[in-house]
Amino acid sequence: SQQGEEDPQALSIQEGENATMNCSYKTSINNLQWYRQNSGRGLVHLILIRSNEREKHSGRLRVTLDTSKKSSSLLITASRAADTASYFCATSNQAGTALIFGKGTTLSVSS
Amino acid sequence: EAGVAQSPRYKIIEKRQSVAFWCNPISGHATLYWYQQILGQGPKLLIQFQNNGVVDDSQLPKDRFSAERLKGVDSTLKIQPAKLEDSAVYLCASSLGTGAPYEQYFGPGTRLTVT
Repeated sequence: SQQGEEDPQALSIQEGENATMNCSYKTSINNLQWYRQNSGRGLVHLILIRSNEREKHSGRLRVTLDTSKKSSSLLITASRAADTASYFCATSNQAGTALIFGKGTTLSVSS
Repeated sequence: EAGVAQSPRYKIIEKRQSVAFWCNPISGHATLYWYQQILGQGPKLLIQFQNNGVVDDSQLPKDRFSAERLKGVDSTLKIQPAKLEDSAVYLCASSLGTGAPYEQYFGPGTRLTVT
């Protein structure tokens, strides 16, 4: 069963704009990860945020986590055409081992 | 550092035929995962190995799917017989160990089409 659910399902923006996508999940988590998938590089880990963290940055990426609302957001600033991809949030299964992915947000960045 | 290798990249078979996929994880990674990704959805775990032992195969359709990881390195995933609904991308991933929050490294996947 899918734990996380991303919103929106699809997002189209212009280069230079910011992109925000959200993830809601159902049960308590130890951490939440964001992955990116495109045809060129496959599925790639972007960032991990632990349950005791509220915000984390990595380059142009900013992730927030609100455990009280069971939600996370991924912000990509100053987007580029190369950011065009599907973005997935993932949480750990009950055993704390493998990942459970949402359905993803498809981001299109046009120049 | 070499990434996760998978082969073949594409496979087209008819229903009721059998197919096998191969995965070579990153050197030194103890944990290996097989995921199934149906078009428009996120990856779904099929089976997880820690070294050559199975950690989780609760979502593996065992009547038709099988997987092994001999010697704790390479792994093969087999489908026999294939059904139309098995059409998907099969992703192999590896990580240093079990227990979150290890980052998982994914291979390019094998796109299976069952006709």
